[in-house]
Amino acid sequence: DGGITQSPKYLFRKEGQNVTLSCEQNLNHDAMYWYRQDPGQGLRLIYYSQIVNDFQKGDIAEGYSVSREKKESFPLTVTSAQKNPTAFYLCASSIRGPRAGPHYGYTFGSGTRLTVV
Amino acid sequence: EDQVTQSPEALRLQEGESSSLNCSYTVSGLRGLFWYRQDPGKGPEFLFTLYSAGEEKEKERLKATLTKKESFLHITAPKPEDSATYLCAVGTDKLIFGTGTRLQVFP
Repeated sequence: DGGITQSPKYLFRKEGQNVTLSCEQNLNHDAMYWYRQDPGQGLRLIYYSQIVNDFQKGDIAEGYSVSREKKESFPLTVTSAQKNPTAFYLCASSIRGPRAGPHYGYTFGSGTRLTVV
Repeated sequence: EDQVTQSPEALRLQEGESSSLNCSYTVSGLRGLFWYRQDPGKGPEFLFTLYSAGEEKEKERLKATLTKKESFLHITAPKPEDSATYLCAVGTDKLIFGTGTRLQVFP
C-alpha cells in the first residue's frame, strides 16, 4: 500500500545534540512538508519542498534543516539551535506543490514524538 | 492575515446525540478547505475536501458543508469510535490549520 513512513516513532535527544527524523513516501508525490504540533496549537509549517533539490522555509524554520536529494525522501534535522524541540513532528506529502490552481491537500505520516532529556 | 478558527475546542456528546463542529476562516484566495480526523499519537487522516460555497460531502455519519466564510462538520448519531480531534485546514499558497475540536462520544 502507498503511504508515508516516518521513523522513529519516539526519539530522545540530549541537550546540544542534532537529531534527524526520517520521512519516506511511495505515493510518487512531488511535494513534501514538515509540520510541528504542540498541545493547544495548530500544526505549524517548518519546511516544504516542491521538487527534488529544492526546499523553502515555512513559518518556524529556525533551528531546523532539511534536504531533498530523492523524490521519496525528505529528512528533517533538529539542530542544537532549536531551543524548544520537544514536540510531535508530522511529515506530509501532496501530489503537487502550492501553486496556482486547486489545493490538493496532504497525506500525513504517523508522526515522530521528540523529547529532550 | 490568513486565519482559521475552530469551535468549540472540546465537545462531549452522548452516543446518538447529533451535533456540529465549526470552522471559520479569513483567507485571501481560498483554494480548498479540508477536514481531517486525528487520533491520539497519530497523524491526521483525510476526511473531506470542499472547493466552493454550497458544496457538501458525506461519509458515513459525517457531513461537511462550506459557505464563503465557514465550514461545518455535522456528526449524525455519533458512536464512541467517532471520538477524536477533528482538524480543519484551508488551502491558500499553503495549508493553514485550525487548532482542532476534541470530540468525545460516551456510550
